[in-house]
Amino acid sequence: GAGVSQSPSNKVTEKGKDVELRCDPISGHTALYWYRQSLGQGLEFLIYFQGNSAPDKSGLPSDRFSAERTGGSVSTLTIQRTQQEDSAVYLCASSSWGQTDPRNEQFFGPGTRLTVL
Amino acid sequence: DAKTTQPPSMDCAEGRAANLPCNHSTISGNEYVYWYRQIHSQGPQYIIHGLKNNETNEMASLIITEDRKSSTLILPHATLRDTAVYYCIVRVVFNDYKLSFGAGTTVTVRA
Repeated sequence: GAGVSQSPSNKVTEKGKDVELRCDPISGHTALYWYRQSLGQGLEFLIYFQGNSAPDKSGLPSDRFSAERTGGSVSTLTIQRTQQEDSAVYLCASSSWGQTDPRNEQFFGPGTRLTVL
Repeated sequence: DAKTTQPPSMDCAEGRAANLPCNHSTISGNEYVYWYRQIHSQGPQYIIHGLKNNETNEMASLIITEDRKSSTLILPHATLRDTAVYYCIVRVVFNDYKLSFGAGTTVTVRA
């Protein structure tokens, strides 16, 4: 597609339930990133994929959070046993990572707003 | 981004130039200045970046002081659609893939 897409755009769930958030990156982008943005907070890095591998998972806040990427394209972020503090906007970005590209510009999707009741 | 400081908010009249300041007094020699913006309910959007020379693209101009300790993003003819939170960050390209924004400057363009 023309840009990064994410689904669903909004998700309301009950505490303790599992949720899956989907990201479709820009076609051909090998790098994919997940971030979250809580109300009034800045951008928080979660995980980085290069192809199907995740060389950097350092931002995942707990073992309830996991992510996978298949076919070097679509990625899914899964949050198990959701807690109220997981409420945030979850943003996905992709880029054409390359040493000859000094910008390594990340293109962001519109985000998924997760509300845990 | 703790390495940059920006005013929390500013207003601008539609059609006028908006000048957004950013201080980055501890910037390292290999760090670039990047600007992003985030319109309400959308993901962040790259605007422009520079190392030490002034830069211009279709969206904005970036003026970096000679000592590189501060910069100004200029939106030459602000429109209502430019109302957004603007973030100034410094990063080393190639290595700094973890974008991190602080509070930024909330710019409100008024008719």
